[in-house]
Amino acid sequence: DSGVTQTPKHLITATGQRVTLRCSPRSGDLSVYWYQQSLDQGLQFLIQYYNGEERAKGNILERFSAQQFPDLHSELNLSSLELGDSALYFCASSGGRGRTGELFFGEGSRLTVL
Amino acid sequence: DQQVKQNSPSLSVQEGRISILNCDYTNSMFDYFLWYKKYPAEGPTFLISISSIKDKNEDGRFTVFLNKSAKHLSLHIVPSQPGDSAVYFCAASDGWYGAGSYQLTFGKGTKLSVIP
Repeated sequence: DSGVTQTPKHLITATGQRVTLRCSPRSGDLSVYWYQQSLDQGLQFLIQYYNGEERAKGNILERFSAQQFPDLHSELNLSSLELGDSALYFCASSGGRGRTGELFFGEGSRLTVL
Repeated sequence: DQQVKQNSPSLSVQEGRISILNCDYTNSMFDYFLWYKKYPAEGPTFLISISSIKDKNEDGRFTVFLNKSAKHLSLHIVPSQPGDSAVYFCAASDGWYGAGSYQLTFGKGTKLSVIP
């Protein structure tokens, strides 16, 4: 158990819809990262928040947005969903106490767009 | 443009033998490299890392080798055990931006199967 909690674990929705994925980082971790893993693809970095502020942006579509709340949990909002958005979405957290390289990943939220 | 490449999607090894997983990168700014292991229905977990100032890092059965001139790193697992069967991701970082900020670029992963 990494200590990172993601909900929901599975989500099936239709094209054009909007969904919200939620992540609770490890206790005390200030940084939250979102990654997308599509079929046969590696983990694509989407966005990072540190203590409530956006810190880095990767290959995140304009239809996607995220935020980190004062209690440090984070939400990833995906709108106007397309079939190609079907993927496993991972949240990870880190403590920010130096670059040990260790991100702690949740189990992921599997999104299926029909 | 894939900056971190794992050209072998899968690898099968007999139990007790050595497993060698390879990773190539193109970005010369990468200075920190990591391996993550992922079991089905779980998130990736950190395995081992290496800084660009080193060429080898060892942790028990796991050793990572870095060849900067070739932009190549490899993970050796000796001896391989059935419990090592998982997907292994190579990742790289190009900087430390302070206060918990660094980005990891991942490869597509290699599925290792250790046969009893």
